Amino acid sequence: DSGVTQTPKHLITATGQRVTLRCSPRSGDLSVYWYQQSLDQGLQFLIQYYNGEERAKGNILERFSAQQFPDLHSELNLSSLELGDSALYFCASSVDGVAGIGETQYFGPGTRLLVL
Amino acid sequence: GENVEQHPSTLSVQEGDSAVIKCTYSDSASNYFPWYKQELGKRPQLIIDIRSNVGEKKDQRIAVTLNKTAKHFSLHITETQPEDSAVYFCAVPNFGNEKLTFGTGTRLTIIP
Repeated sequence: DSGVTQTPKHLITATGQRVTLRCSPRSGDLSVYWYQQSLDQGLQFLIQYYNGEERAKGNILERFSAQQFPDLHSELNLSSLELGDSALYFCASSVDGVAGIGETQYFGPGTRLLVL
Repeated sequence: GENVEQHPSTLSVQEGDSAVIKCTYSDSASNYFPWYKQELGKRPQLIIDIRSNVGEKKDQRIAVTLNKTAKHFSLHITETQPEDSAVYFCAVPNFGNEKLTFGTGTRLTIIP
């Protein structure tokens, strides 16, 4: 157990819908990262938050957004869902996420999203 | 951005033999190199990492070697066991922040 929790574990929804994925980092970790894992794209970085502020952005679609709350949990919102959004979504956390020092990222169990 | 190449994409070895997986990266400023193991449907789990001030690190049957000049690092698993069967990913953090760029993964199968 990494100490990172994610809910829900599974999500089945229809195209065009909106869903929210939730992540709680390890106790004391200030940075949260979101990754998408699909069969053909591997593990792709989406976005990072540090202590409530967006810190880095990857290949995140405009239909996707995220935020980190004062208690440091984070939510990833996916809207206007398409079939291709079906994937495993992982969040990870690290102590600071300070550039250049190489911090270990601990992954949560993931949310499996299926868009029908 | 960082480019990470990982080889091979699949690897089958007899139980008890060794397995080696290699990753190359592009950013010479990179200084931290983790390896993750992912079992089917599970989360990526850190198994070993190395920082740029050392050339090799060992943890029981697992070792990682780093060649900063050639910009590659390798995962070595000795005395392989069936429970080593999984997908292994190398990763490199972007020096401008800590986002990880992952390799494409290696599916390791241990043949009993």
